[in-house]
Amino acid sequence: DAGVIQSPRHEVTEMGQEVTLRCKPISGHNSLFWYRQTMMRGLELLIYFNNNVPIDDSGMPEDRFSAKMPNASFSTLKIQPSEPRDSAVYFCASSPGGNTDTQYFGPGTRLTVL
Amino acid sequence: EDQVTQSPEALRLQEGESSSLNCSYTVSGLRGLFWYRQDPGKGPEFLFTLYSAGEEKEKERLKATLTKKESFLHITAPKPEDSATYLCAVRRDPGSEKLVFGKGTKLTVNP
Repeated sequence: DAGVIQSPRHEVTEMGQEVTLRCKPISGHNSLFWYRQTMMRGLELLIYFNNNVPIDDSGMPEDRFSAKMPNASFSTLKIQPSEPRDSAVYFCASSPGGNTDTQYFGPGTRLTVL
Repeated sequence: EDQVTQSPEALRLQEGESSSLNCSYTVSGLRGLFWYRQDPGKGPEFLFTLYSAGEEKEKERLKATLTKKESFLHITAPKPEDSATYLCAVRRDPGSEKLVFGKGTKLTVNP
């Protein structure tokens, strides 16, 4: 299995631009998670989906952030407009769900907003 | 609010020098405590899940234990390749898959 796939791996953009991060979960996994990691706040859950349905978005910082999961093999996290404080590493993770709750992480996208 | 505190923030060991990392938590109704390893520039890699006080799990030089208030990750005779940041996380709600992570312990093992 290829594991969780994220793209791009690095993104540099200017303040005010739209940013879209992409994730392909492990095939057969029912749950997908978006996290943000910074030195100050550590690893924080932004939102998670189960069977393509958003279950908990309480970690989404504000309306500038949105996430979608149109099908079982693809999800996006969009930031519009981006701000310098959004600079962080964004991770996608997936889990089989059910009684198996281990989350498997992708390699992350390092976002820099100038 | 759920809180997960890891200590120390950083730890330097000589190769072969055993030690322990601590993860203390304040969660009502723990539904799982997870340990991950994170190498620089990579995503966290799953190590262990513990569900009840008294439970222990081992993998090579690592052993994780759990009490009602904290978990320890014991590293026996570490090698330089064990250098990484170790993260712990807790799951509380039986109906939620949400994990709350600590900020991690950065372990450096010198040859």
